[in-house]
Amino acid sequence: GQNIDQPTEMTATEGAIVQINCTYQTSGFNGLFWYQQHAGEAPTFLSYNVLDGLEEKGRFSSFLSRSKGYSYLLLKELQMKDSASYLCAVDDDYKLSFGAGTTVTVRA
Amino acid sequence: EAEVAQSPRYKITEKSQAVAFWCDPISGHATLYWYRQILGQGPELLVQFQDESVVDDSQLPKDRFSAERLKGVDSTLKIQPAELGDSAMYLCASSPYRQGVVSDTQYFGPGTRLTVL
Repeated sequence: GQNIDQPTEMTATEGAIVQINCTYQTSGFNGLFWYQQHAGEAPTFLSYNVLDGLEEKGRFSSFLSRSKGYSYLLLKELQMKDSASYLCAVDDDYKLSFGAGTTVTVRA
Repeated sequence: EAEVAQSPRYKITEKSQAVAFWCDPISGHATLYWYRQILGQGPELLVQFQDESVVDDSQLPKDRFSAERLKGVDSTLKIQPAELGDSAMYLCASSPYRQGVVSDTQYFGPGTRLTVL
């Protein structure tokens, strides 16, 4: 089966940096996605990694190490609107397996 | 910007009743997914379509759930009879299918929040 772990909750201050870790053990691997989900809304795409290394997109960056089964999402210059759940998902043959999500709370 | 459409957005029903959810994917997207998301958990895949064919329905409780995508465009997910444990958000997602591409982003609709009383 698929096993994807990420912390349940994180809290940070506006303007700070937060790093959300994700570890995975899956039967197949076609890449790793990060999605943002505000309460009561649908997940929205943030990033995709298939090769090892860092992908930077504005205030958000995502890192992947396939040999370690590890990824992280880095959120810089935190804003209040970044308060949301962040979902790590592994693509195995065009099917996504999701972690339970990390709820990030940004405080003023 | 093209979006995945779902309806209804909210549905309240009593247990043992039948409910149906509708999804219209982004135009041209061959792959369509139905997920169930219980509060505090990540989405769980129920069924995956490639055009009109079911690719994976291994996690679909087939004694009460059914899904179809007859013309390979929009899709319907049905629950009959509904049970208390079915209360959840039902999400539809779509993605293009391009041969030779390892993976493709899934785009999610706004979801249907089901409450079974």
